[in-house]
Amino acid sequence: GEDVEQSLFLSVREGDSSVINCTYTDSSSTYLYWYKQEPGAGLQLLTYIFSNMDMKQDQRLTVLLNKKDKHLSLRIADTQTGDSAIYFCAETPAGTALIFGKGTTLSVSS
Amino acid sequence: KAGVTQTPRYLIKTRGQQVTLSCSPISGHRSVSWYQQTPGQGLQFLFEYFSETQRNKGNFPGRFSGRQFSNSRSEMNVSTLELGDSALYLCASSSAGQTNTGELFFGEGSRLTVL
Repeated sequence: GEDVEQSLFLSVREGDSSVINCTYTDSSSTYLYWYKQEPGAGLQLLTYIFSNMDMKQDQRLTVLLNKKDKHLSLRIADTQTGDSAIYFCAETPAGTALIFGKGTTLSVSS
Repeated sequence: KAGVTQTPRYLIKTRGQQVTLSCSPISGHRSVSWYQQTPGQGLQFLFEYFSETQRNKGNFPGRFSGRQFSNSRSEMNVSTLELGDSALYLCASSSAGQTNTGELFFGEGSRLTVL
C-alpha cells in the first residue's frame, strides 16, 4: 500500500502494557518516529529510531523495528491514564517531509 | 525558549471566503512545515519552507498557498474556502537543514470551521 497504516483504536487497563503497531511504506526512510497528541494540543515527539537499529528503549517506551516487513511498534509498559492520547507513527521518505499514519487512539481505563 | 505559536487558534469562515493563518517557529528554527488534520484523512502534508523558499509541497490544490518571511515566520492562505477545508491546521518547525533527519516541533494548531 501507499499509506502508513495503523490500527485506529486500542483499549487497555491501567498497569497493563500497550503495543501500538505501524506498517510504513518506504524502506529508504532514515528515521521512523512516534508522536503523541493529547486532546486540544499539537503533536509531541515521543521517540524515534534510526533505520539501522532493531530496538530502542527509553524508560517505559520500547520501539521495535522490522525493516524486512516494514513494521514498527511502540510498547508502553505500565500504561497510565495519562498515556491516553492519539499516537502517530511517521516515516521520512528521502527528500520529502514526514509522512504520518492516521493515528491510534489509546484509551486507558482505571 | 518559546514554542511554536500559531494564530488564530480558532476561526469560523463561510464558503467562498479566504483565510490566512500565521505561524511563528521556535527561535533559530529555519524550517517550517504545514499539515492539515481531519478525522477522515488524518495528517496530510501541505508544504515546507526553508529560508523563505518552498522546499516540498504536498498534494493540495492551488487554493492552498504559503510563504515564509526573512524572520522565518510563515503564513498559509486558503482561498475560495470549501466545506471540506474545515480542519485543524498544524505548523511545525525544525532546526535541521533537512527535515528528514530532525525532530518536528508542533504548534497547537489553528482550527478552521467553514460554514
